[in-house]
Amino acid sequence: SQQGEEDPQALSIQEGENATMNCSYKTSINNLQWYRQNSGRGLVHLILIRSNEREKHSGRLRVTLDTSKKSSSLLITASRAADTASYFCATAATQGGSEKLVFGKGTKLTVNP
Amino acid sequence: DAGITQSPRHKVTETGTPVTLRCHQTENHRYMYWYRQDPGHGLRLIHYSYGVKDTDKGEVSDGYSVSRSKTEDFLLTLESATSSQTSVYFCAIRTNGLFTDTQYFGPGTRLTVL
Repeated sequence: SQQGEEDPQALSIQEGENATMNCSYKTSINNLQWYRQNSGRGLVHLILIRSNEREKHSGRLRVTLDTSKKSSSLLITASRAADTASYFCATAATQGGSEKLVFGKGTKLTVNP
Repeated sequence: DAGITQSPRHKVTETGTPVTLRCHQTENHRYMYWYRQDPGHGLRLIHYSYGVKDTDKGEVSDGYSVSRSKTEDFLLTLESATSSQTSVYFCAIRTNGLFTDTQYFGPGTRLTVL
């Protein structure tokens, strides 16, 4: 399986600190995406990084991708209580002629005020 | 939310009964997906559709069927619900354009099978 695996499973930090989550996967990918899920809600797309990119920024988010190590990291800088959520990486690859996303199990981030 | 709605939002049913979940989109996207989310498993793909009447199986398709008779609706049916199908079900669409692989999710349906 190419399923991404996030690390750590849970992370608790203080407001203002940075939060780093990691994702590892097993097979070649077209791109890797990060999603956020607030409790009881659907997933929300945060950022996409293509396989030929190494780093991408969006606001307080920074994503890196190392295809040689088959790993990615999501950094949230200057965290806020509102960042409390679960974060999922998803790898996109072509399987059987169509492209599918495979999600990891997620990192549960708690930002304490 | 990319104009995605799911119905019902909550359902409690008994083992052996048929259940149909509906996903409705308003923006004419070609690709639609059904996932289930369970603790410890993340999201797993059940079925997906790449057009009207065009569907394919995902990772956990056993016990589920789907239908797409028009672009805007993608139905997920549990022919005979089992307790192992208690889960939260999410529908998603895939956008076309610069971020061609981005998926947008509906609010979810919480299904409990007693």
